[in-house]
Amino acid sequence: DADVTQTPRNRITKTGKRIMLECSQTKGHDRMYWYRQDPGLGLQLIYYSFDVKDINKGEISDGYSVSRQAQAKFSLSLESAIPNQTALYFCATSDPAASPTDTQYFGPGTRLTVL
Amino acid sequence: ILNVEQSPQSLHVQEGDSTNFTCSFPSSNFYALHWYRWETAKSPEALFVMTLNGDEKKKGRISATLNTKEGYSYLYIKGSQPEDSATYLCALNVRRALTFGSGTRLQVQP
Repeated sequence: DADVTQTPRNRITKTGKRIMLECSQTKGHDRMYWYRQDPGLGLQLIYYSFDVKDINKGEISDGYSVSRQAQAKFSLSLESAIPNQTALYFCATSDPAASPTDTQYFGPGTRLTVL
Repeated sequence: ILNVEQSPQSLHVQEGDSTNFTCSFPSSNFYALHWYRWETAKSPEALFVMTLNGDEKKKGRISATLNTKEGYSYLYIKGSQPEDSATYLCALNVRRALTFGSGTRLQVQP
């Protein structure tokens, strides 16, 4: 079984709809991250969480919100999806015991299309 | 905003060629520099993490070096194989999260 899983893997939705992307991990890591990837750009950080009570905005948090329901679960929500949120979304985890190097372990990605 | 630049954006080589690409960043204090390998339709996977000026890492035919004083890291692939085709991402750990470059997309033709 994969250590970091994302659901759904693909989603097509319409402008204005609320969407939730979910991430679960079995690695036992405290730190979790959400990134988006657009063609020609690197991974851009949306939100990150260092534990259940520590949630922080990344570079591009506008239009997104997150929820850290448990150590193993970190959800990303688009309250009102817009077409320029069409992208590939990755969840990642890291182990604070490995700090400061903080190697990140990525999920398989969710491809979201907003029409 | 920290600017991590990678060059070239894309590279086409023949099987057996050796190749290298660059990650550039402002010379400043940071915790670590990471290289990730990202194959199409898969998740990015960690290749190397380096922390000290002069660090060199090697994994099979792939190696990387770090120069923190001049602000760059090189990734080398010796004798490229088609299975090396992927996007190679560089990322800097400055504070609490990673800042990624846009990647170098490598295509190795058989």
